[in-house]
Amino acid sequence: EVQLVESGGGLVKPGGSLRLSCAASGFTFSSYSINWVRQAPGKGLEWVSSISATNYIYYGESVKGRFSISRDNAKNSLYLQMDSLRAEDTAVYYCARRRIEYTYAPAFDYWGQGTLVTVSS
Amino acid sequence: QSVLTQTPSASGTPGQRVTISCSGSSSNIGGNTVNWYQQVPGTAPRLLIYNDNQRPSGVPDRFSGSKSGASASLAISWLQSEDEADYYCAAWDDSLNGSLFGGGTKLTVL
Repeated sequence: EVQLVESGGGLVKPGGSLRLSCAASGFTFSSYSINWVRQAPGKGLEWVSSISATNYIYYGESVKGRFSISRDNAKNSLYLQMDSLRAEDTAVYYCARRRIEYTYAPAFDYWGQGTLVTVSS
Repeated sequence: QSVLTQTPSASGTPGQRVTISCSGSSSNIGGNTVNWYQQVPGTAPRLLIYNDNQRPSGVPDRFSGSKSGASASLAISWLQSEDEADYYCAAWDDSLNGSLFGGGTKLTVL
């Protein structure tokens, strides 16, 4: 069974840092592009970042220069290092697997349950 | 305001057919495939349609997708109460070099 489990969320002050993790199981992690998608309270979905199976990396405009995505295939894990956090980064952060046949398309077939990040003083 | 534009709300009665639209541009919907998601509040999104009109296994054939130019639509036939949820379109954008989601459409089953 495919599973994605996020962790690392919590309360952080503006300007602070946080590192999210996503533990994957049930599939060949190294073969898939994995993405971060977030959802602010009461708002819609926003794509944050992606890392392909061959380590091509993309970021959304709102997080460029502040967030960094990485993966450790030996540990079947995805990470999101979030620096210079702002109140508007407050959201539930989901990791999501892209269907294997796609390089770019946001066709995310499995999602984790999400981890809440709250940026507040 | 999202680059992919969806009407904020839609409604229908059980058994009806409803359509949710998503409007973009040549750099996203017009040049790339469209995907649709269903999200029941408090849960993770679920992929309903990929590659404009393909359904993942397990998605009922009551859900269908179509695209024309820079606009796409999700149709739900034989509306059921459990279809009440938020629906999002998504596509890659060549200009932004990133993925985009529409603002979402809240579907109410009356």
